[in-house]
Amino acid sequence: GAGVSQSPSNKVTEKGKDVELRCDPISGHTALYWYRQSLGQGLEFLIYFQGNSAPDKSGLPSDRFSAERTGGSVSTLTIQRTQQEDSAVYLCASSLQGLEPQHFGDGTRLSIL
Amino acid sequence: RKEVEQDPGPFNVPEGATVAFNCTYSNSASQSFFWYRQDCRKEPKLLMSVYSSGNEDGRFTAQLNRASQYISLLIRDSKLSDSATYLCVVNNNNDMRFGAGTRLTVKP
Repeated sequence: GAGVSQSPSNKVTEKGKDVELRCDPISGHTALYWYRQSLGQGLEFLIYFQGNSAPDKSGLPSDRFSAERTGGSVSTLTIQRTQQEDSAVYLCASSLQGLEPQHFGDGTRLSIL
Repeated sequence: RKEVEQDPGPFNVPEGATVAFNCTYSNSASQSFFWYRQDCRKEPKLLMSVYSSGNEDGRFTAQLNRASQYISLLIRDSKLSDSATYLCVVNNNNDMRFGAGTRLTVKP
């Protein structure tokens, strides 16, 4: 499709396991963003990529969180040793360039048991 | 102080009412501004960009006041389908910051 694609759409896992979330941005979009949204809460900025580099990693909640982007396209967000407080919807967005509006994927709903 | 602040609401208005939301931002160097709409359990969707001169799209009017560092969204003739959370977004050097959102419920 033409939009931002995220997978999986839902993920249920046990506390302590590692999870990997994938985002496939709109083709040609150079900027890619990861956000987290807990139930009933606003969007929490996690990390931003311009091309393959992430100039700002300050939003990552802890060192259990990491993200990479390869080939200026697909990005993965990895959460190691998951905790219950990691349960949230993880949203990915991309934009043509950094100052352009963002287009969001449907999100990955992560539940940690 | 949060970088982007919005009144969380909720705003409960009757159909046909006019409602306005404000959003303030702390970084005076911010370069671009947007309003997004988010329906319950859905991803945010762009509603409109906000230009310095103010801009209108149908029943929606957005304005920017750089001196006072706030943006506003005016919705005229509210419809039931306008019920959603409205997110203010401020962009500085490719760093997008979202407000927590203002919840609007339009009632018959």
